[in-house]
Amino acid sequence: QKEVEQDPGPLSVPEGAIVSLNCTYSNSAFQYFMWYRQYSRKGPELLMYTYSSGNKEDGRFTAQVDKSSKYISLFIRDSQPSDSATYLCAMNKPLQGAQKLVFGQGTRLTINP
Amino acid sequence: DSGVTQTPKHLITATGQRVTLRCSPRSGDLSVYWYQQSLDQGLQFLIQYYNGEERAKGNILERFSAQQFPDLHSELNLSSLELGDSALYFCASSVDEGQPWGYTFGSGTRLTVV
Repeated sequence: QKEVEQDPGPLSVPEGAIVSLNCTYSNSAFQYFMWYRQYSRKGPELLMYTYSSGNKEDGRFTAQVDKSSKYISLFIRDSQPSDSATYLCAMNKPLQGAQKLVFGQGTRLTINP
Repeated sequence: DSGVTQTPKHLITATGQRVTLRCSPRSGDLSVYWYQQSLDQGLQFLIQYYNGEERAKGNILERFSAQQFPDLHSELNLSSLELGDSALYFCASSVDEGQPWGYTFGSGTRLTVV
């Protein structure tokens, strides 16, 4: 079983819709929770990160963490065609005295005009 | 442009061959991370270097090796290549090791083994 599970989609929604992307995890050692966006033929870029349970908002994006359920979400409001990309959740854990990022599979999202 | 430079962008090679992927980290970043991205496995951590020293290893095959040079650029060497090694290889860099949100990724090298 993977430490981080993410539905790969694909997910297709009309412009202006609210998008909900989710990940579950099994390792309680995870400390920080990140969401990355990856456009085709590009590297992942950080969207948001959170540390504790609760919500964090940044413009049209809201990240939610529920450590008791080991469940994280990313909500996108007023979705735009430019939001079409693959979204990856990531979490860190200590490894050999350093840190290791563990990624979900990624969800491919398409926003239709 | 993220500031992390990876070369080459594309590489096509035959099975059994050896290739070297190169990564120049963002200016000021001391830590370099290598990841492999394939359709079935997603992004998998391979290895991390900090200021020239190996710091952590993930699921890196024995056929793969890496190093970080005094000028902080890093190279990932892949040898005895197999068809299953075809993937996107990403390099990321960060200022230090204490900020897991601080990774900046390059645009990757697409490796195709035929």
